[in-house]
Amino acid sequence: GEDVEQSLFLSVREGDSSVINCTYTDSSSTYLYWYKQEPGAGLQLLTYIFSNMDMKQDQRLTVLLNKKDKHLSLRIADTQTGDSAIYFCAESIGSSASKIIFGSGTRLSIRP
Amino acid sequence: DAGVTQSPTHLIKTRGQHVTLRCSPISGHKSVSWYQQVLGQGPQFIFQYYEKEERGRGNFPDRFSARQFPNYSSELNVNALLLGDSALYLCASSFWENNSPLHFGNGTRLTVT
Repeated sequence: GEDVEQSLFLSVREGDSSVINCTYTDSSSTYLYWYKQEPGAGLQLLTYIFSNMDMKQDQRLTVLLNKKDKHLSLRIADTQTGDSAIYFCAESIGSSASKIIFGSGTRLSIRP
Repeated sequence: DAGVTQSPTHLIKTRGQHVTLRCSPISGHKSVSWYQQVLGQGPQFIFQYYEKEERGRGNFPDRFSARQFPNYSSELNVNALLLGDSALYLCASSFWENNSPLHFGNGTRLTVT
């Protein structure tokens, strides 16, 4: 069945780059997502990538997709204290963009 | 523009009761999906509705039901509440049924005692 795995915690120094990794299982997934969740809040769509792309860059965010290894990563450049949150990797179930499987989330903490 | 709005923001119910959660999608979005997020886990898919029709259902019991109205707003109903139903219930909307990304609301925090 579908499954998404990511590490639970990541700690980085302010100003450094953060790299959050994720593996997924559904090779037919069309969309792969990164969502951000701050305490007590809902999910904020950070970025998404189509399965036929290798990379997507949006300001401080870079998404890399290795479809062969079913590996997705999110790089946040110049990490700031406001980036502290839980980051969820998610894959679509087949071609449906609305039915998605989430990982358990990676808690990113920033140290001074 | 207003994002996805959900009401209420918090709710406390007792076991056996039923609950109705409400969601208004982003203006122009025709698809609404519901997700359950238990503390410490990622959200899990419950339902998707598009043009008032159910388009998908996750692995949830029949106590969970939903509907979508002509204005594309949606309700999620849960009957015979169990302690394990305590969670953050997230509504998400998208423009199309497929091929458009999901935008989530801030959720309704349901506590069952």
